[in-house]
Amino acid sequence: AQRVTQPEKLLSVFKGAPVELKCNYSYSGSPELFWYVQYSRQRLQLLLRHISRESIKGFTADLNKGETSFHLKKPFAQEEDSAMYYCALSGSAGNMLTFGGGTRLMVKP
Amino acid sequence: GAVVSQHPSWVICKSGTSVKIECRSLDFQATTMFWYRQFPKQSLMLMATSNEGSKATYEQGVEKDKFLINHASLTLSTLTVTSAHPEDSSFYICSASQQGWDTEAFFGQGTRLTVV
Repeated sequence: AQRVTQPEKLLSVFKGAPVELKCNYSYSGSPELFWYVQYSRQRLQLLLRHISRESIKGFTADLNKGETSFHLKKPFAQEEDSAMYYCALSGSAGNMLTFGGGTRLMVKP
Repeated sequence: GAVVSQHPSWVICKSGTSVKIECRSLDFQATTMFWYRQFPKQSLMLMATSNEGSKATYEQGVEKDKFLINHASLTLSTLTVTSAHPEDSSFYICSASQQGWDTEAFFGQGTRLTVV
């Protein structure tokens, strides 16, 4: 069975502070990991995926298979980063996603 | 990116009635569509996977006779909640992807269903 855990429901930081949203997963095979973001009153959208290894809006995430983690990081948070962030996992059988519980990031001025 | 339109955005219905939710891919052909639901303060949970022209695959614990999914074309999938009850009140979201396991899934804006 595949499972995604986001231990923090709410993360509040000040503008300019570093941010790390934690994500841990369990999956027996080789997973593909994603971060999705949902800004206020907008639809869920892909932020980044581990296979592309690119940085979107200053966010990065590294897949650590040893720790089964895929934490999302940004060195300097901006107010516009305030949103709901979901970590998700896709197994090999198509791109059905298993989501974590989500973390609400609040960036204060 | 591609657009997935979900309709209606919200619906209130009486207990015992049926509700249909549509999910359309506007500018691409979606061979696969996924339906998720989200209870308050909980995560998105996959309900079923539908492939165009074939029967949907339901996740364990999801009643196929209650949540009817039809994916008759490459741009439209529908979810019908039959004989809705208050416990079916939830947020339902669809996502659609093009052919291939490695393609991105695009999400609809979701439908808030309230059964009274």
